[in-house]
Amino acid sequence: QQQVKQSPQSLIVQKGGISIINCAYENTAFDYFPWYQQFPGKGPALLIAIRPDVSEKKEGRFTISFNKSAKQFSLHIMDSQPGDSATYFCAASVLGDDKIIFGKGTRLHILP
Amino acid sequence: NAGVTQTPKFRVLKTGQSMTLLCAQDMNHEYMYWYRQDPGMGLRLIHYSVGEGTTAKGEVPDGYNVSRLKKQNFLLGLESAAPSQTSVYFCASSYSIRGGHNEQFFGPGTRLTVL
Repeated sequence: QQQVKQSPQSLIVQKGGISIINCAYENTAFDYFPWYQQFPGKGPALLIAIRPDVSEKKEGRFTISFNKSAKQFSLHIMDSQPGDSATYFCAASVLGDDKIIFGKGTRLHILP
Repeated sequence: NAGVTQTPKFRVLKTGQSMTLLCAQDMNHEYMYWYRQDPGMGLRLIHYSVGEGTTAKGEVPDGYNVSRLKKQNFLLGLESAAPSQTSVYFCASSYSIRGGHNEQFFGPGTRLTVL
């Protein structure tokens, strides 16, 4: 299965709260899991990425948690800010393939 | 360094008309991609290219054609536009080493409406 299933479709979080977006996959050959962030009217941009040899990767307020046995990974945004309001896409790829598979996206809105 | 640019930014077509979307990148990337983005559907790959003179089909190629005559340019054509092709189109590029593991750099998008 080449799908990456992403949830929720939309999310509203209070300023200062934790935003959590989840993704699941079936293809155990996936070995690279990036997250892309897209602001309204702009193209997506790489936010953070993880490989399955680690269970967590943190960059500032953004953390990816990876559960290889469950075939799930998630993005946590700590101390969420209104400037984090955007659409977030999880994705996955296989080394040697030319493409990446995107989830359907989560529209995140942080209330001021 | 302009990155990835797309022309035009907006376009309105009538059913049956044709048009070409232009993508240009100045990062000397080998790989280039065309996606469409529709509400609730995420980013779906239309066609892609792994080098000058090469093209390949993605997930939703029907109704589109592409050409990569120059390394820096990737053209997406609609021969006979249909309302179902109303969408926002994104071009992206990346380095070739490690294939899909590379960061993709996206353009600002083209909003196309087919009446």
